[in-house]
Amino acid sequence: GAGVSQTPSNKVTEKGKYVELRCDPISGHTALYWYRQSLGQGPEFLIYFQGTGAADDSGLPNDRFFAVRPEGSVSTLKIQRTERGDSAVYLCASSSNRGNTQYFGPGTRLTVL
Amino acid sequence: AQRVTQPEKLLSVFKGAPVELKCNYSYSGSPELFWYVQYSRQRLQLLLRHISRESIKGFTADLNKGETSFHLKKPFAQEEDSAMYYCALKLLGVDKVIFGPGTSLSVIP
Repeated sequence: GAGVSQTPSNKVTEKGKYVELRCDPISGHTALYWYRQSLGQGPEFLIYFQGTGAADDSGLPNDRFFAVRPEGSVSTLKIQRTERGDSAVYLCASSSNRGNTQYFGPGTRLTVL
Repeated sequence: AQRVTQPEKLLSVFKGAPVELKCNYSYSGSPELFWYVQYSRQRLQLLLRHISRESIKGFTADLNKGETSFHLKKPFAQEEDSAMYYCALKLLGVDKVIFGPGTSLSVIP
């Protein structure tokens, strides 16, 4: 079956703009995770959803970052007033339930000029 | 604070040689450790987890709580093992996973 998909694959924006990154998890997976991976670093946890609710958003760096998952499937990561330091690859992962194996998407490469 | 370290950014070995990718963690609770791998132009995927105690693609990893280590080992490296390897720590009762910075393994033919 289809794996986790993320759109767009690349996003270039200007400092101060608003961006939305989309994640389509594997069908039926209730758990969804967002990570950010900067150059030369491992993935950094941002937020975890169980169903529609954000069960753990402790990794969001500040209030410019927000994520939703209104119907318990697709999730959108929203970044307001982007800064150059937000440039990174944003990864999404899903799992069939909490604690189970996470399956990663291909990532969205965000570049803030 | 909880942390995962991988001291080698790059590791090169010859085909057929043993390989060990080092991972150390800092966490006072009961850890759950993982190794993830990312092959060229592929997405990140789970290689193995310590609770499974299994060998995947010839790789094994043993959790050593005394040394707070979870080193990944393979007795005979293959060219197809060339990839980026990340050690990761999941905290007890929490869904957050902390990744190390990664080690790029290059197996020389």
